[in-house]
Amino acid sequence: DTGVSQNPRHKITKRGQNVTFRCDPISEHNRLYWYRQTLGQGPEFLTYFQNEAQLEKSRLLSDRFSAERPKGSFSTLEIQRTEQGDSAMYLCASSSDRVFGVSNQPQHFGDGTRLSIL
Amino acid sequence: AQTVTQSQPEMSVQEAETVTLSCTYDTSESNYYLFWYKQPPSRQMILVIRQEAYKQQNATENRFSVNFQKAAKSFSLKISDSQLGDTAMYFCAFMISNNDMRFGAGTRLTVKP
Repeated sequence: DTGVSQNPRHKITKRGQNVTFRCDPISEHNRLYWYRQTLGQGPEFLTYFQNEAQLEKSRLLSDRFSAERPKGSFSTLEIQRTEQGDSAMYLCASSSDRVFGVSNQPQHFGDGTRLSIL
Repeated sequence: AQTVTQSQPEMSVQEAETVTLSCTYDTSESNYYLFWYKQPPSRQMILVIRQEAYKQQNATENRFSVNFQKAAKSFSLKISDSQLGDTAMYFCAFMISNNDMRFGAGTRLTVKP
């Protein structure tokens, strides 16, 4: 079990540029989540996939944000026309919807991608 | 709306002593899950303990235990025999069946030698 992997670990970009982050979940996990965490705060839910279907999106996910999970494995989160307020840690988590007959398994988090907007 | 409140931004404890971190939440749901996650400095979030709302018995994981008071909507974490490696941010989290997990603002715990 290699855990949840996120790339890159740190992204620095100029305001107005587009950025894309990648998340590779734990291989047997069918659920994948994206969160945003700003300094001194807890993670805020952005969106959730079950397999390749995006089932839930937070109102925090403006139209500049788009997430995909085309084959139900890895996911990408793209931010277009970045703004200063987008600077944050972007966390990915994954879980399985059923393990040994028990539903709602806990989420396992990656190390995150820290986005810095110049 | 589901909200999670951690009223202690920072706490400290001497090594080997016991500390309790507070968490309250607000929901109209009857079936939900509660979690405590630990986030060491510059490291990933790790699940510490979980509690299903339908279970009356408080969850325990080695030195970590919870005091779940459903009527009061309270979910505190007790860390016994604190160790230096327990130094971290601790987040209380709440999840209903739709998998939208809500986190509190966190409590920064420092274990002092």
